Amino acid sequence: EIVMTQSPATLSVSPGQRATLSCRASQSVGSNLAWYQQKPGQAPRLVIYGVSTRATGIPARFSGSGSGTEFALTISSLQSEDFAVYYCQQYNKWVTFGGGTKVEIK
Amino acid sequence: QVQLAQSGVEVKKPGASVKVSCRTSGYTFTSYGITWVRQAPGQGLEWMGWISASGGNTNYAENFQGRVTMTTDTSTSRAYMELRSLRSDDTAMYYCARAPRYCTSGLCYTDNWGQGTLVTVSS
Repeated sequence: EIVMTQSPATLSVSPGQRATLSCRASQSVGSNLAWYQQKPGQAPRLVIYGVSTRATGIPARFSGSGSGTEFALTISSLQSEDFAVYYCQQYNKWVTFGGGTKVEIK
Repeated sequence: QVQLAQSGVEVKKPGASVKVSCRTSGYTFTSYGITWVRQAPGQGLEWMGWISASGGNTNYAENFQGRVTMTTDTSTSRAYMELRSLRSDDTAMYYCARAPRYCTSGLCYTDNWGQGTLVTVSS
């Protein structure tokens, strides 16, 4: 099983600031990497797939990068609606998720 | 618009079975498979498996092999997930989610999610 490790567990950021979330895979996942956003009491929402392609309706302040085993999700200027938990997911060999990064207001 | 509407809260005793339904609308059901994911209280996401829209192909996570069955009903655009021999650690929110059109094995992301069905297992 491919283990996905996200860091940090919690990220405290002020509105308008930049946030960078990391995701590391225990082996290469190629470009089969997605990010999801989940707010309390809601289902996850697809943000990025294929490492860097934004899902429908996702604003341009969200960007994904990386390859192989190291990936990042960057939110260029945090808005109030962006505070949530973010999960990375690999779908190269079976499907596994990271443990999540909570982005909270500083 | 694409919508996935799941059945309501379930409370089951250990050893029982649960069957969760996922009613879809807003797209051609037969063109997209359905993935099931669960989330224990306060925990992360766990992939359970995938079923093709026709129901002819499934791919179950190893952790659920032998205990889960996923089916579809193309006449009503619904997907179902049945989990048997329930244990207390099966208590979780269960989500159905649509897989992208290209996905033929279940190894893919999911682009639209249902609202979730809370399943509580308790004696």
